[in-house]
Amino acid sequence: GQSLEQPSEVTAVEGAIVQINCTYQTSGFYGLSWYQQHDGGAPTFLSYNALDGLEETGRFSSFLSRSDSYGYLLLQELQMKDSASYFCAVRDGSWGKLQFGAGTQVVVTP
Amino acid sequence: GAVVSQHPSWVICKSGTSVKIECRSLDFQATTMFWYRQFPKQSLMLMATSNEGSKATYEQGVEKDKFLINHASLTLSTLTVTSAHPEDSSFYICSARDPDRSSYNSPLHFGNGTRLTVT
Repeated sequence: GQSLEQPSEVTAVEGAIVQINCTYQTSGFYGLSWYQQHDGGAPTFLSYNALDGLEETGRFSSFLSRSDSYGYLLLQELQMKDSASYFCAVRDGSWGKLQFGAGTQVVVTP
Repeated sequence: GAVVSQHPSWVICKSGTSVKIECRSLDFQATTMFWYRQFPKQSLMLMATSNEGSKATYEQGVEKDKFLINHASLTLSTLTVTSAHPEDSSFYICSARDPDRSSYNSPLHFGNGTRLTVT
């Protein structure tokens, strides 16, 4: 089985930096993904880490440490539109199946 | 980019009736699609993997006779909630893998979801 843990909520002001941590326990590991979901909307893909290290995509970066079964999503220069839920997810051994964490609600205040 | 279209976006039905939700890949072929369910303020829970031309694979605890999945073509998967009850009220979302990326890191593209309310 698999389990993922991430904080339930994070609040920060515009312009700040937020780090969302994710720890996982899996029987097999095929990479850690991050998805963003606004209220009532569909999840959208943000990033994917298969190997240790930092992946940067604009204001968002994602980090992975396989030895620690740990990763994080870093949101920089926070904007109001970044208020959303963020989910980490891992693949199991089967092609395509993703299991999601419980999600972290990010609240950005003026 | 890969687009997944889901219909309807919302539906209200009476208890005991059946509801069909369609998931289409608009500009690519998807041999595999995934159906998720999400309750308010909760995570996405994988219900089943829909395979074109074969039976769906259901996750543990998901009733296959209640949630019928048909994947008759490379661009269409349907989920039918049979004999719906109020506890089936939820947000149902389908997804398919990006065909332009290798399977190793291919992200999921999600439909916009269907909000089902059973009265």
